[in-house]
Formats: sequence, C-alpha cells, structure tokens
Amino acid sequence: GAVVSQHPSWVICKSGTSVKIECRSLDFQATTMFWYRQFPKQSLMLMATSNEGSKATYEQGVEKDKFLINHASLTLSTLTVTSAHPEDSSFYICSANGGGETYEQYFGPGTRLTVT
Amino acid sequence: DQQVKQNSPSLSVQEGRISILNCDYTNSMFDYFLWYKKYPAEGPTFLISISSIKDKNEDGRFTVFLNKSAKHLSLHIVPSQPGDSAVYFCAASGGFQKLVFGTGTRLLVSP
Repeated sequence: GAVVSQHPSWVICKSGTSVKIECRSLDFQATTMFWYRQFPKQSLMLMATSNEGSKATYEQGVEKDKFLINHASLTLSTLTVTSAHPEDSSFYICSANGGGETYEQYFGPGTRLTVT
Repeated sequence: DQQVKQNSPSLSVQEGRISILNCDYTNSMFDYFLWYKKYPAEGPTFLISISSIKDKNEDGRFTVFLNKSAKHLSLHIVPSQPGDSAVYFCAASGGFQKLVFGTGTRLLVSP
C-alpha cells in the first residue's frame, strides 16, 4: 500500500516552455501532497504544500507564479514549471501524507527535468 | 539555516558490522523524526520513525535513538548488508505535516 507515482519520470524541454509533472496516490486518498526539489548531492527542499481543493502554500523563496500547483482531486496533484530556464533543471519529487495522525510521507519516484 | 544536519556525507562499513548514521537538529519544536533511504534517481523510501516522547524505536535490523537534550538522533543498522548501500536522510517535523530534511549520508556496505 501507500504507492505514489509520478509522470513523467524524466523530461527535456527547451528554455521558455512549460512542463507539467503529475503526482498520483494510487491506493489511498491524499488530502495533502508535497512538492520537493533536489539538486545534485543536496538535500530535498520543500517547495510547496498542496491541499486538495485549495491553493497551495509555498515555501519562502519559491515563486508561486513560476511553479503552479493544482490539487484537483484526492489522488492527483500537478506541478507546472512555467517559462522554464536552465536553472530550473533539477529532480522534482512529490510526496503524499498517509492520512490521520501520521507524519509519514510516501514519495513518488521523482521527475528529472532538464531545460536546454 | 540548516535546521537538520547530517555531518557525515559518507560512511563505509563492512558487511555484517553495525552502521551508525547520525543526525543533529536545532529546532526544539520538532517532535517527530523519520529516516528515509534513497537510491539515485528514485524517491525516498520510509524506513523508521520516532516520536519525541520516546528515546528508542526498533524495527528489525533498524533502530533509531533520540536524545532530546542533545538534539541528536541516530540510526543503527545491524547487521549491515550490501543492499543497504544508499543515501540516508533524516527528517524532522514540527507540525503541519511538513518535513525538514537533512543533507544525507551516503552509506556503502562492502561485502
């Protein structure tokens, strides 16, 4: 149980274009999903908290107009990187909370974005 | 400001011996701690967690120890196996279900 999927697993796009990454909880409902990015040899940095049916909460320093998050259902959250630039190249990972009182988050496999 | 720190970027251990991974935190509001294992180009996998009301939690080969006064936790893996080779992240939560991750420790278990 507690499986989270991401699509695509990797994507290459040209500078200035937009890219959408999907995150799905396959066998449970996730009221809250989280989006992280990880640069090589660095930690996972929380970008935003996505709540079903409401606006996402962004961490300090994360541009909400650049990283659009939509949590349309209890099993799907999307992250759209708009007007991507090479510095946006990174590993993007989503996670979903297992529900209830647990703090455990279940992570997707990640999406490698390369902007050329 | 790195609130969760893993000061050892790497650790090498022989198969069968104990692996000890350390983690320090600065925020006294953290009340729940987790360890994750991560392979390259994959998402982290949950290993074990501990609440601040406890000082030890054990699950098979994995044991997490928490020293609140020192703001320190450690993950013990015994016996270590080659398949344990990965990057290990500790994470802490102070509420709102948000996790703050450490910088990770790369564990290499050699046969």
